[in-house]
Amino acid sequence: GQQVMQIPQYQHVQEGEDFTTYCNSSTTLSNIQWYKQRPGGHPVFLIQLVKSGEVKKQKRLTFQFGEAKKNSSLHITATQTTDVGTYFCAIAVQGAQKLVFGQGTRLTINP
Amino acid sequence: NAGVTQTPKFQVLKTGQSMTLQCAQDMNHEYMSWYRQDPGMGLRLIHYSVGAGITDQGEVPNGYNVSRSTTEDFPLRLLSAAPSQTSVYFCASSYSRAQPQHFGDGTRLSIL
Repeated sequence: GQQVMQIPQYQHVQEGEDFTTYCNSSTTLSNIQWYKQRPGGHPVFLIQLVKSGEVKKQKRLTFQFGEAKKNSSLHITATQTTDVGTYFCAIAVQGAQKLVFGQGTRLTINP
Repeated sequence: NAGVTQTPKFQVLKTGQSMTLQCAQDMNHEYMSWYRQDPGMGLRLIHYSVGAGITDQGEVPNGYNVSRSTTEDFPLRLLSAAPSQTSVYFCASSYSRAQPQHFGDGTRLSIL
């Protein structure tokens, strides 16, 4: 079935360093959603991208949707300890009403 | 508004037992879904529903049943629990799959 690959699986950074996670699909996506899950918590919606080449920013977070709508990225500038957690992308499966998630990228930060 | 409420928060079962994980939402959302989360596997879709009376299978439906008799409730049933079903289960709801998903706090299930 339609899947989305998310990399890396884990990322450890020093506080203040940047962080990026990527989601890649073999098929064209209608949209992509991003979520954050704090340790011990539940996923929380961050943003949705719909348009080709779209770039959205939320403070230190920058979200991009590829021109071909097959990939997306989440970039965090100057990480802080509050950024710790797992970041997921989620895509709508074509031909079905399913929303499937990537494997997630777990971010840990050394203060 | 309570949002999405899952019960119980924790449960320990013996192999072969059955149980129902409850999920209720008070946001009048049509779309509801169940995911399981295992280390390194992300969130995997078990079953979903686009409205009352309509359910469909996700990526990992085997061993689980669902029903959607009302808009508010979407229970997940384990028919005969197996150790491989030890996981954290999340219920989510939204107006549609294209809208932000609201997650419950999860049920941590251990099967011995």
